[in-house]
Amino acid sequence: KQEVTQIPAALSVPEGENLVLNCSFTDSAIYNLQWFRQDPGKGLTSLLLIQSSQREQTSGRLNASLDKSSGRSTLYIAASQPGDSATYLCAVDSGGGSNYKLTFGKGTLLTVNP
Amino acid sequence: GAGVSQTPSNKVTEKGKYVELRCDPISGHTALYWYRQSLGQGPEFLIYFQGTGAADDSGLPNDRFFAVRPEGSVSTLKIQRTERGDSAVYLCASSLSTGGAEAFFGQGTRLTVV
Repeated sequence: KQEVTQIPAALSVPEGENLVLNCSFTDSAIYNLQWFRQDPGKGLTSLLLIQSSQREQTSGRLNASLDKSSGRSTLYIAASQPGDSATYLCAVDSGGGSNYKLTFGKGTLLTVNP
Repeated sequence: GAGVSQTPSNKVTEKGKYVELRCDPISGHTALYWYRQSLGQGPEFLIYFQGTGAADDSGLPNDRFFAVRPEGSVSTLKIQRTERGDSAVYLCASSLSTGGAEAFFGQGTRLTVV
């Protein structure tokens, strides 16, 4: 059974810092990996999707890497801003695409202080 | 609409009652998923539809839970004889049917069973 772990559970940083969120998964047979953002009381917003054949994806100040063989992904946030404060969730798709089923970690609660 | 819409946004019900939660996916998305997120946890997969049929319902916790998608668009998650342990945020997502497509999530329905 696929298990996803995110470290740290919570992180508080001053504005402007670069930071890294970590995600690990137990079964390397994944189809893709996604990073989501969740604001309090809200749904999920997809940030980056990395296919299993890719090593990284970038969007603005965000960069996500994937090392499938070691079961690890990192989300790098450059020049953090208070508006980045949210819970960040990592999810892997082990369902093969046509049978799509995400396994999520518990998330990292990020607070960026002005 | 432009995104996945879920109604109601909040639902409080008494233990033992029946509830229905509705999901309107993005127009043209043939794949639809239901997830459940308990407090402090990541979302957990419940059921996946491809068109009108449930392609994978392995995440439904027991036979009190049932979901339908009769016309391949709107879906309804039905919970019979609700229990306090059913209290959670129920998230719906949709995606194009192509393998590995990005999932778009709704805002969720917060269900509280008292």
